[in-house]
This record gives sequence, C-alpha cells and structure tokens, in this order.
Amino acid sequence: KAGVTQTPRYLIKTRGQQVTLSCSPISGHRSVSWYQQTPGQGLQFLFEYFSETQRNKGNFPGRFSGRQFSNSRSEMNVSTLELGDSALYLCASSSVSGETQYFGPGTRLLVL
Amino acid sequence: SQQGEEDPQALSIQEGENATMNCSYKTSINNLQWYRQNSGRGLVHLILIRSNEREKHSGRLRVTLDTSKKSSSLLITASRAADTASYFCATDVGDYKLSFGAGTTVTVRA
Repeated sequence: KAGVTQTPRYLIKTRGQQVTLSCSPISGHRSVSWYQQTPGQGLQFLFEYFSETQRNKGNFPGRFSGRQFSNSRSEMNVSTLELGDSALYLCASSSVSGETQYFGPGTRLLVL
Repeated sequence: SQQGEEDPQALSIQEGENATMNCSYKTSINNLQWYRQNSGRGLVHLILIRSNEREKHSGRLRVTLDTSKKSSSLLITASRAADTASYFCATDVGDYKLSFGAGTTVTVRA
C-alpha cells in the first residue's frame, strides 16, 4: 500500500496570507489527524477527522481549520498567517481510533 | 501540555552499544506508541504497546510499560549509525489524538 502523502512538501508564504495543505491517507484508513511540530513547542495536536466529522480539536486559534472529504482525503487551512506558524505540519492516518497512526513526510511551512 | 516526557533529552553512544530511553506520562492510557524521526522528516512508527501489556519486542527494539509507575522504556540493542534520530513516545487516552513528549535525540558514533 502507498503511504500517507502530503502536498506540498515545502511552502513559503508571507504574513497575512493563507495556506491550504493536503493529506491523502493510506487506502482504507478513515481517520486523519494533523500535528504541528516546532522547535519550541514540539509536536502538538491540531485536529482529527473520521468519516468527514471532526472528533477532536487541539488548542489552536480559529485561524486553523480543517476538513475531510468523502474519500478520506483531508485538508487543513491556516488563514492570516503569522511568523509563529512556521513549522512542520504532519498528517497521520489510521484505520480506527486507538491503533497505530502512520505519518506522512510533512509539509514544511515558512512564513516570512 | 505534553502528556509524555522523555528522559534523557539526548544520548550519545558508540556503535554496537545499547541505548535506553524512558518516557513518563501523567494519566491513564489506552496505549503508548514509540516513533522515530530522522532530521525533521516524518515520524516512523516503531512499536505500540497496550495498557494491558508489559513488554513487546520488534527486531532490535524492546519496549516495556509499567502502568503503576506511568512509565515506559525503549531499548535499542546493538545500535547502528542508522539509529541516529530523535525518538518520541506518544500516549493515547482514547480521545482521538496522540500526546507526544519532547523526544530523546540519539547519536550513534562510528
């Protein structure tokens, strides 16, 4: 099976812009989670989707949003970018909750 | 706040030696997972151990879980240069997310 894919892999934006990141889970996986990784805060949970429903959301401002499509692919959007949003954004998928999460290679976002 | 905390923060060992890192957490868990990350890339899943398990093995990896002490350890035996990476523990408490520790950076010297 193909692994979790994320696009784009690298992105440079300026403050105030918005960005959309995409994640395609492993075939058959219905749960998709997003995490932000920064040197200062480490790995932090953003949100989790299962069958197009958000089941949990981390402690992030409303500028961070996401959605999941009927084919389980997911997107996350960050509006009004701030310098502190520069991070590695990781997507993970699993077949069911409580099982192994498989991570994609990440999207590295740099906000200037 | 982070659920898991790894110890030590960094570890440097000679090739062929064993590496042990520990993870402590705060609340009851469903399972605990260990991941490896090379140079800021994606996380690679190593082992999942459930709350009713005490020990699991996978190749050169051995994971233990002590729920009474709320702690886990990861042992890498006969380390290789390719084991140089950051290692993270992550806890699942059944709320559809993983909570990660800050990680242990392991350097294997040739």
